Amino acid sequence: NAGVTQTPKFRILKIGQSMTLQCTQDMNHNYMYWYRQDPGMGLKLIYYSVGAGITDKGEVPNGYNVSRSTTEDFPLRLELAAPSQTSVYFCASRSTGENSPLHFGNGTRLTVT
Amino acid sequence: AQKVTQAQTEISVVEKEDVTLDCVYETRDTTYYLFWYKQPPSGELVFLIRRNSFDEQNEISGRYSWNFQKSTSSFNFTITASQVVDSAVYFCALLSGGSNYKLTFGKGTLLTVNP
Repeated sequence: NAGVTQTPKFRILKIGQSMTLQCTQDMNHNYMYWYRQDPGMGLKLIYYSVGAGITDKGEVPNGYNVSRSTTEDFPLRLELAAPSQTSVYFCASRSTGENSPLHFGNGTRLTVT
Repeated sequence: AQKVTQAQTEISVVEKEDVTLDCVYETRDTTYYLFWYKQPPSGELVFLIRRNSFDEQNEISGRYSWNFQKSTSSFNFTITASQVVDSAVYFCALLSGGSNYKLTFGKGTLLTVNP
């Protein structure tokens, strides 16, 4: 099992550009998440999904969109990149058991200049 | 609302010292789960332990131990005889029954173990 795979690992965007961060998992997990990590701020939830076709906003959804057409994939889209979106983005998944831990991808480091 | 507080932003110790990382949580739910994650300098997030609200037994795994006290809403993490490889950011996280999809993370504690 590859676990949770995120691509790309690094990306530099110019202000106003758009891009999609890819996330796929091969553990058949229903729950998937996108977090962003800023220095000293911990991880903040952007969007999450409890199954294919179902998504919901987290704490900091503005400027982002998601879709969940399959169980495996949960892409995160930035439509008009802004410097405030410079961050490290983590995708995660977990099974539906209440105490099941999150399995994280290795992160995408995004810089918007 | 859920909240996790890790009051220690940074801790620096010398190798072989014991160190305790504090975690205080807030939730109105009676059923909840607590987690610790480690983020080494390489950046990945590694799951360390989970504990549910009904199990206040402390746990020891090698040099790691966790002390869960519902009376003080704390879930502290102790590393005994610290090693340089323990240098990392450590996150405490909470998943409560009223919001059982979402994990809330603390801001993390940066532990530096010096040789």
